[in-house]
Amino acid sequence: QSVLTQPPSVSGAPGQRVTISCTGSSSNIGARYDVQWYQQLPGTAPKLLISGISSRPSGVPDRFSGSKSGTSASLAITGLQAEDEADYYCQSYDSSLSGWVFGGGTRLTVL
Amino acid sequence: EVQLVQSGAEVKKLGESLKISCKGSGYSFTTYWIAWVRQMPGKGLEWMGIIYPGDSDIRYSPSFQGQVTISADKSISTAYLQWLDLKASDTAMYYCARQVIVAGAADFWGQGTLVTVSS
Repeated sequence: QSVLTQPPSVSGAPGQRVTISCTGSSSNIGARYDVQWYQQLPGTAPKLLISGISSRPSGVPDRFSGSKSGTSASLAITGLQAEDEADYYCQSYDSSLSGWVFGGGTRLTVL
Repeated sequence: EVQLVQSGAEVKKLGESLKISCKGSGYSFTTYWIAWVRQMPGKGLEWMGIIYPGDSDIRYSPSFQGQVTISADKSISTAYLQWLDLKASDTAMYYCARQVIVAGAADFWGQGTLVTVSS
């Protein structure tokens, strides 16, 4: 049982927009800690996609965006492409655990 | 170029000890935290703990406290994850990752070390 809750799977057709939610609590996302999103392509290490809620590292397309409201955060992907098919994880800091916490991961399928 | 290069895959037996490594290059190793993350087969990411090589400040996830030991040798820019008594449930991929602050993002990741524990 992950501290942050994500839907196990989402899907969309090429060109469409999908969102992935990440629900936490008052000791992590709600405590104003930053939320990060990572993309994990099959058989590879995770890659930072979004940091500090909505900042994209160099090289990440602007089709990816992050947002946060209260104890939840969201990742939006517009103009869906086949190469976006991957597992996506949200991550934040939890004050009660004094460490990182991850969501359980969401598998994105491009139809 | 920032790189985190991890040691190779390991196959060990129940009860054996193991130490895997993560070597940083292309940046100041002592001014970034190194985190360790576990990914069991077909499962999600789990944060194990973190070390600041500059002063060896170490924090453990409650789930991994007492089960593993995190250390670093700043003279060779290398962080370590160690087990004294491997269990079958330690079979997993282990990643190291670099962070600026404890509560921040991991901007670079190692390629992962696959640990397989068998009887």
